Amino acid sequence: KNEVEQSPQNLTAQEGEFITINCSYSVGISALHWLQQHPGGGIVSLFMLSSGKKKHGRLIATINIQEKHSSLHITASHPRDSAVYICAAPGTLYGGATNKLIFGTGTLLAVQP
Amino acid sequence: ETGVTQSPTHLIKTRGQQVTLRCSSQSGHNTVSWYQQALGQGPQFIFQYYREEENGRGNFPPRFSGLQFPNYSSELNVNALELDDSALYLCASSLGASGANVLTFGAGSRLTVL
Repeated sequence: KNEVEQSPQNLTAQEGEFITINCSYSVGISALHWLQQHPGGGIVSLFMLSSGKKKHGRLIATINIQEKHSSLHITASHPRDSAVYICAAPGTLYGGATNKLIFGTGTLLAVQP
Repeated sequence: ETGVTQSPTHLIKTRGQQVTLRCSSQSGHNTVSWYQQALGQGPQFIFQYYREEENGRGNFPPRFSGLQFPNYSSELNVNALELDDSALYLCASSLGASGANVLTFGAGSRLTVL
């Protein structure tokens, strides 16, 4: 079982729809990262959060520490939002240190016009 | 303020060869982490360098090695290349080695091993 799991793996939406991507983790974490990766590889950091909620434009990220769950929401989705969205958390997978990121497998989002 | 720059962007090698990938960290960042991303997979942590010292390593063999220089740029070296080493290699810099630091990623170096 992966220590960081995402759902859904694939998501197709119509332009304008509200989108939710979920992330569950089994490690104790100091912060959770949401990242965006476009075809071709480049990764952009969207959010890093350790409690509550953060908002940037049409993107909202929430985290529930007790439930070990985080969500990324996209309001009024647009075709340019199409990308892979990845959550990542520092974990003890590599023994001892908790400063190494463990990545979820990603959610491939396609927003159709 | 410059971001993270990786070079080369693409390269092709044959089995048994050696490769060096380079990463220039964002201005002001002192930590560089390297990740391997196979096609269709999430990134896997290779190792991290903090203030020129290795600061943790993932489940990769010793033929994966690295360096960090006084200006905090970094190199990833892979010896005796194998076909399975074909992947996108990403570096990310941050201010501090904690997992609670914002990361800035480079665009990656895509390695193909034939």
